[in-house]
Amino acid sequence: DVKVTQSSRYLVKRTGEKVFLECVQDMDHENMFWYRQDPGLGLRLIYFSYDVKMKEKGDIPEGYSVSREKKERFSLILESASTNQTSMYLCASRTPGGRANYGYTFGSGTRLTVV
Amino acid sequence: AQTVTQSQPEMSVQEAETVTLSCTYDTSESDYYLFWYKQPPSRQMILVIRQEAYKQQNATENRFSVNFQKAAKSFSLKISDSQLGDAAMYFCAYISRGGSEKLVFGKGTKLTVNP
Repeated sequence: DVKVTQSSRYLVKRTGEKVFLECVQDMDHENMFWYRQDPGLGLRLIYFSYDVKMKEKGDIPEGYSVSREKKERFSLILESASTNQTSMYLCASRTPGGRANYGYTFGSGTRLTVV
Repeated sequence: AQTVTQSQPEMSVQEAETVTLSCTYDTSESDYYLFWYKQPPSRQMILVIRQEAYKQQNATENRFSVNFQKAAKSFSLKISDSQLGDAAMYFCAYISRGGSEKLVFGKGTKLTVNP
């Protein structure tokens, strides 16, 4: 089974700090995603990447950037954290199309609090 | 843009009873997948069931089954013989096989199982 690992389960950061959220997958998947989850809003796509050094904006990219230097690692960066970025962040990796198990595998989430 | 709607923010069911969670979606695509994900308090997003749009037969996984009505764009989840461990947030999600293949989520239904 695919494993997606997010390095931190809980993070507390100060306003204005630069924050890195790390995500690693172990199945050589090309496609990786960062979602933000807020109560009543479901999951919203921030950024995704379909290959090393390739990235595309999702629905809510403002205030975020990403880095994909190696295939297995996809980092979400908050350039200057703000309190409205307090949220749950979920990373996911996608099984390639054509497979019987096509779909996404998620990490266990990072709950970020910005104070 | 594709949208997914879950009209029931909260549902409850008695242990051993059956409950149905509703989901509708909007798309003009013909090649797509639908998913139900479960998110317990541990926050791990777990795939419950997957349905390919081209398959007329409704998917089943043990106590979980779907009622896929393609013309009506409806994709409900039935949980039979509900167990306490079924208590969780349930998310309906859609992905189109064309283009960037991004997963689009509904806002979720919180399921409570009463003993």
